[in-house]
Amino acid sequence: GENVEQHPSTLSVQEGDSAVIKCTYSDSASNYFPWYKQELGKGPQLIIDIRSNVGEKKDQRIAVTLNKTAKHFSLHITETQPEDSAVYFCAASMSYGNKLVFGAGTILRVKS
Amino acid sequence: GAVVSQHPSRVICKSGTSVKIECRSLDFQATTMFWYRQFPKQSLMLMATSNEGSKATYEQGVEKDKFLINHASLTLSTLTVTSAHPEDSSFYICSARDLGGGVYEQYFGPGTRLTVT
Repeated sequence: GENVEQHPSTLSVQEGDSAVIKCTYSDSASNYFPWYKQELGKGPQLIIDIRSNVGEKKDQRIAVTLNKTAKHFSLHITETQPEDSAVYFCAASMSYGNKLVFGAGTILRVKS
Repeated sequence: GAVVSQHPSRVICKSGTSVKIECRSLDFQATTMFWYRQFPKQSLMLMATSNEGSKATYEQGVEKDKFLINHASLTLSTLTVTSAHPEDSSFYICSARDLGGGVYEQYFGPGTRLTVT
């Protein structure tokens, strides 16, 4: 089955700097890659996603890139703010109706 | 849009009792809902996939007789933890897929913290 690895496990950045979180997946059939932000004691919130027919997607300060050949995708957060501090999870899924396989998560700390 | 609610947000129960957790899609219809379990500082572990009107599909290692899932309507799924024990204490999160939006997006509820004493 699918396996998703996520790095780094923790990431500390200064406010205003950029943060990058990387994930690799094992199954080339996966074609949907969402990113979730989870704050303490809350459920995950979908922040951005990308499908396999697209190489990059951007939404304001957040962007995701996908390299299908290398089977990895990355989350980029620019101009980080203290409120970006949270746990971020990547996930992969195969086609419509299929379940998500999550990475282990990255704790992002933005220092002001 | 795409709001998923869970009730209760926190519950404490005694060992041996049963607890029901509700998951509702508030502004969309969801044929499929998922139930996850999350231990402290760990990732989400899928427990089961719930399709409206049919039996849930459980992941390997998840006891279907202990974690009863019912998906009676397009907006409601319930998880009942039967004969709860302290090791069942965890954060339970549901998610739902929006039929009307993209076919891939999955939206999560706020979670339910279960503590078994």
